[in-house]
Amino acid sequence: EAQVTQNPRYLITVTGKKLTVTCSQNMNHEYMSWYRQDPGLGLRQIYYSMNVEVTDKGDVPEGYKVSRKEKRNFPLILESPSPNQTSLYFCASSPAERDTQYFGPGTRLTVL
Amino acid sequence: QQPVQSPQAVILREGEDAVINCSSSKALYSVHWYRQKHGEAPVFLMILLKGGEQKGHEKISASFNEKKQQSSLYLTASQLSYSGTYFCGTAFNAGNNRKLIWGLGTSLAVNP
Repeated sequence: EAQVTQNPRYLITVTGKKLTVTCSQNMNHEYMSWYRQDPGLGLRQIYYSMNVEVTDKGDVPEGYKVSRKEKRNFPLILESPSPNQTSLYFCASSPAERDTQYFGPGTRLTVL
Repeated sequence: QQPVQSPQAVILREGEDAVINCSSSKALYSVHWYRQKHGEAPVFLMILLKGGEQKGHEKISASFNEKKQQSSLYLTASQLSYSGTYFCGTAFNAGNNRKLIWGLGTSLAVNP
């Protein structure tokens, strides 16, 4: 089944404790993206990747890191999480930038 | 650059119709429509490319008015399952920014 998976689905952590949210897709898509979703603010792009080893900042990259060592994986790293990073995070993939995006199930992160 | 969606929210009775608009101040290349149910990932509905084409999916259809730089999503004879938040994602004609820019969403509630 074609899908985008994210782990964990739910995470409660404390300020400053490094964490990684994994994202994997099995559709051989070149384009992958991370979004955060907050009430009233819609979907805001954090980082995106056009292909392996090619990543770039989105609209709200501060406090986040990403890597794309393999085509299928695009982990999101929070080196020192802060409470303002409490949010619902979605990973998405698509064949190319302007194509239909397929979203993962989401990760609800709470930083205390 | 962010597209403007209207209305922000709408409440319907089952069987009623609704129209959701997505307007841009820049020339559009394509418009993507997604529906998101509470706590779930956005799900792709349809994509419209410039050229004014209209697409349909069961009782949900959409149009793309190139002159107005606007897309409209039509929900006909609404069902309870149509409830959710509808997002449009827009891609623009020109410039280096080829990624999708998302509207803030329209919340749709269908009541029995």
